[in-house]
Amino acid sequence: GQQVMQIPQYQHVQEGEDFTTYCNSSTTLSNIQWYKQRPGGHPVFLIQLVKSGEVKKQKRLTFQFGEAKKNSSLHITATQTTDVGTYFCAGRDNAGNMLTFGGGTRLMVKP
Amino acid sequence: DTGVSQDPRHKITKRGQNVTFRCDPISEHNRLYWYRQTLGQGPEFLTYFQNEAQLEKSRLLSDRFSAERPKGSFSTLEIQRTEQGDSAMYLCASSPGLEFYEQYFGPGTRLTVT
Repeated sequence: GQQVMQIPQYQHVQEGEDFTTYCNSSTTLSNIQWYKQRPGGHPVFLIQLVKSGEVKKQKRLTFQFGEAKKNSSLHITATQTTDVGTYFCAGRDNAGNMLTFGGGTRLMVKP
Repeated sequence: DTGVSQDPRHKITKRGQNVTFRCDPISEHNRLYWYRQTLGQGPEFLTYFQNEAQLEKSRLLSDRFSAERPKGSFSTLEIQRTEQGDSAMYLCASSPGLEFYEQYFGPGTRLTVT
């Protein structure tokens, strides 16, 4: 079955430093979504990428979808303490209607 | 629009007992999903409904798990003969019905099997 892997599992940064999490799928994806889960909270949708090579920005967040549609990344510029949480990618393959979530990257920001 | 709600928020049960959870999706959302999340892991897909029809079920889902969405609105997830390995957060999500739409998650039901 489809597998989605994320690295790193954990990341500690000093406030103001940049952060990147990487997502890799074992199969080609039709689209990929990113979610953020705050400690004690539930996943909240951030963005969806559909096209090969697509890049989308939300303020300090930049999302990329690989040319082969098998990998993606999320980059945060100048992290803030409000960025703390776990970031999940979730991929949908061409065959199914279900999302397969990665294991997440837990971001901790030291003020 | 009050968002996705789940009940109860917490459930402690003894091994071997049956438990049932309820999910109320955002009104007019056709699709409803159930996930299981354990500490430090991403949500794991269990099953989903399009209106009242259960269209997909994870191969990892034991026969002890069953889900219903009888009128295409709220859904229930039942776990029979609970085991300690069933301890997890059970998340429900809904979406408007097209595959390219985001999923809106509820707060989850945390199950502890003692």
